[in-house]
Formats: sequence, C-alpha cells, structure tokens
Amino acid sequence: AQSVTQPDIHITVSEGASLELRCNYSYGATPYLFWYVQSPGQGLQLLLKYFSGDTLVQGIKGFEAEFKRSQSSFNLRKPSVHWSDAAEYFCAVRSSSNTGKLIFGQGTTLQVKP
Amino acid sequence: DAGVTQSPTHLIKTRGQQVTLRCSPKSGHDTVSWYQQALGQGPQFIFQYYEEEERQRGNFPDRFSGHQFPNYSSELNVNALLLGDSALYLCASSLRDREAYEQYFGPGTRLTVT
Repeated sequence: AQSVTQPDIHITVSEGASLELRCNYSYGATPYLFWYVQSPGQGLQLLLKYFSGDTLVQGIKGFEAEFKRSQSSFNLRKPSVHWSDAAEYFCAVRSSSNTGKLIFGQGTTLQVKP
Repeated sequence: DAGVTQSPTHLIKTRGQQVTLRCSPKSGHDTVSWYQQALGQGPQFIFQYYEEEERQRGNFPDRFSGHQFPNYSSELNVNALLLGDSALYLCASSLRDREAYEQYFGPGTRLTVT
C-alpha cells in the first residue's frame, strides 16, 4: 500500500537559515510526488511536483526538492527561509494512473524565528 | 481565471443531521476529488468524480456520498453526522486526460459537528 511519512511534526528555523523538510514514501513503482503548503485557514497550494526526468525539481517561492529512489525520499529544501514561509507543509504521493488519489503525509509545521 | 471555489466557508451542524458541501472546479477541469482533513492531520481521500460517476473511493462509510453535475461542479453529502466528522473538507479539481495531472485545491469548508 502507498504511504507517506514526514518524520518531523514540527520544525523551527531562524529567518535566513536553510531549511530541509523530510519525506519518505512507500510505493512499488515510480511515484508521482508532490509538496503542498497550507497557511492557517487556507487550502493547499502546490509548491512543486516530480513526475519523471531530472531528480532535482524547482518550485515556486524558491523551494526545490530532490527525488532519491534508493532512499525512497523526496525532501524539500530552501536555501534561505523568510518569515512568510511559516506554514504547514505536506508531502503527497500519487500512482501513475490518471485516476490516482493523493496520499498525504501527516504534515510538518514550520515556525520561523525572527 | 477562477480557481476552485467551495461553499459554504464554515458550517455548524448537530449530531445526526445531514450536510451538503459544494465545489466548483477550476475552469477547464473535469474531475473533482474530495478530501477530509482532521485537525493536525494530512488530508484523507474520500472519493473522486468524473463524468458524473464516482470513480474511486477511499475508506469512508456510505454516509458519505457525492454527486457531479454536467457542468463538472460537485456536491459532498454527509448523513447522520457524528462528532468525528468535524473537519476541513477540501475539494480538488484536475483534468483527467492528462496523465501528469496535478490537483488544484479549494480553500475548504470547515464543518463543526456539535
């Protein structure tokens, strides 16, 4: 069965510091992988996605993620965090079928210290 | 270009009542998926509609039902509400024929069951 694990429930970083949010997935074939961000009281906004090809993908707001098949990971990174990045971050996996549902991790809450 | 819209924004119901939530997909999209997000959790897939039929269903009881209209908008109905149904209900739309599709989420409907 497909599953997604985000090991860090809560992370605090200082503004300007680098950020890495971890995501591990379980899926038999090549997955489609996503990172979404959710601000308080808001819906989900897509940050970036991996379908195939280059394993380092760039997203919006300066985020990037690297797909590592050997480690079943898809970690999200940002070189320098801004206070506005404080939010909940969700990693998700979908099967290659175009009817596939999204399976989400539990989420990581990011707090940014001034 | 309007994104995914949902109504109402907030809703308070009593145990045992029935509720209907509504979703209009992003322009050009033909597939609607519904997710339940309990407090502090990642979204859980409820079901997906395409061509006015339920195509895939998650692990939710029959109390949860839906409908898709010819204009691709959708409704989520929940009967015999339980306290545990209190959650943020998210609608996501996508274009089915594109294999590498991504789901766009609405702002959600916050349902409180008392």
